[in-house]
Amino acid sequence: AQSVTQPDIHITVSEGASLELRCNYSYGATPYLFWYVQSPGQGLQLLLKYFSGDTLVQGIKGFEAEFKRSQSSFNLRKPSVHWSDAAEYFCAVGARFTGTASKLTFGTGTRLQVTL
Amino acid sequence: GAGVSQSPSNKVTEKGKDVELRCDPISGHTALYWYRQSLGQGLEFLIYFQGNSAPDKSGLPSDRFSAERTGGSVSTLTIQRTQQEDSAVYLCASSSRGAGNVSYEQYFGPGTRLTVT
Repeated sequence: AQSVTQPDIHITVSEGASLELRCNYSYGATPYLFWYVQSPGQGLQLLLKYFSGDTLVQGIKGFEAEFKRSQSSFNLRKPSVHWSDAAEYFCAVGARFTGTASKLTFGTGTRLQVTL
Repeated sequence: GAGVSQSPSNKVTEKGKDVELRCDPISGHTALYWYRQSLGQGLEFLIYFQGNSAPDKSGLPSDRFSAERTGGSVSTLTIQRTQQEDSAVYLCASSSRGAGNVSYEQYFGPGTRLTVT
């Protein structure tokens, strides 16, 4: 069964500082990987995804993530955080090949707080 | 274009009552998913519909939960005899279907916050 671990429950960074949110996955093959962001009272918005090809993927709002097969990781990064980035971030894995469904398995989320 | 919509946005119900939650997926998306987000359990998959195929119900927590999708579009999640532990945000997502029976990224609705008193 697939699983996702986000080891950091809560992270606080200063505005303008760099950010890295960690994500480790467990899956029998190369998975589909996603990062979603959720602002308070809102649904999930897709930040970026990895399906294949270049292991460094660019997303919206200046975010990027790097797929590292050897480390089973898909960490999210941003060089300079803005106050509006404060939210909860979820890493998710989807089955690459399945005869039924590519349901997503989510990590427990990392809450990002940005100080001014 | 219009995103995934869900109704109602909030629902308060008494324990033991039945509730219906509605999801309108993005037009043209063939796959539809229901997830539940609660404090204790995080984000959990509930059920998945893909075209005319039999739904994947593997995530439904009990037989009090059911869902249907009419005409390959709108979906309704029904919870019978609600319990307090059913209190959560119920999220719907849709996606287009790619090659090889694999769905691409899922687009989420704003969710329905269900409170069982």
